[in-house]
Amino acid sequence: NAGVTQTPKFRVLKTGQSMTLLCAQDMNHEYMYWYRQDPGMGLRLIHYSVGEGTTAKGEVPDGYNVSRLKKQNFLLGLESAAPSQTSVYFCASSYSSGTSETQYFGPGTRLLVL
Amino acid sequence: AQSVTQPDIHITVSEGASLELRCNYSYGATPYLFWYVQSPGQGLQLLLKYFSGDTLVQGIKGFEAEFKRSQSSFNLRKPSVHWSDAAEYFCAVASSNTGKLIFGQGTTLQVKP
Repeated sequence: NAGVTQTPKFRVLKTGQSMTLLCAQDMNHEYMYWYRQDPGMGLRLIHYSVGEGTTAKGEVPDGYNVSRLKKQNFLLGLESAAPSQTSVYFCASSYSSGTSETQYFGPGTRLLVL
Repeated sequence: AQSVTQPDIHITVSEGASLELRCNYSYGATPYLFWYVQSPGQGLQLLLKYFSGDTLVQGIKGFEAEFKRSQSSFNLRKPSVHWSDAAEYFCAVASSNTGKLIFGQGTTLQVKP
């Protein structure tokens, strides 16, 4: 049982390049989330999904797109990377959206945009 | 709007000393509160959570937190800190509408030998 995994662990992009971050979970969770973590700002929600085939915007969605074609996977895409997107990206999943539900986090992806 | 504030960005304590990390929240109804820990280079791990009942919540690794509605606080405590507790700690509140987490800015804990 691997929990939540993220690929890649680290990536360097040039401004304007595109990339996709992959999140996978093997806990049969319905809900999945993408956050970004920046110094002094905690974690901020980018997009989330309440089930296969559904996605919704979070707090800071601009410049990102997501897809949830399979229940176990949640992809985060950057179509044209900008230096402001340099950050650490975390994926999380939970069984439901209940307010007492625990979110389980992946190890993170460090992205540097030059 | 819901928000979480962790007033201390950085705290240093000696190994064996007691620890208290502060968390204040702004929320209209009964809050659902969480403490997560992030070790260097790792993801976040849940320490404990509060959503009802006893206001003193026990978590993993010897941590506890006390919910005080009158002070809008959910402070994290540990009676004796170990060097392995050095990490970043995040307080979060869950939205009652969506269950989405709203995080505080985080507090970095350094443990002196």
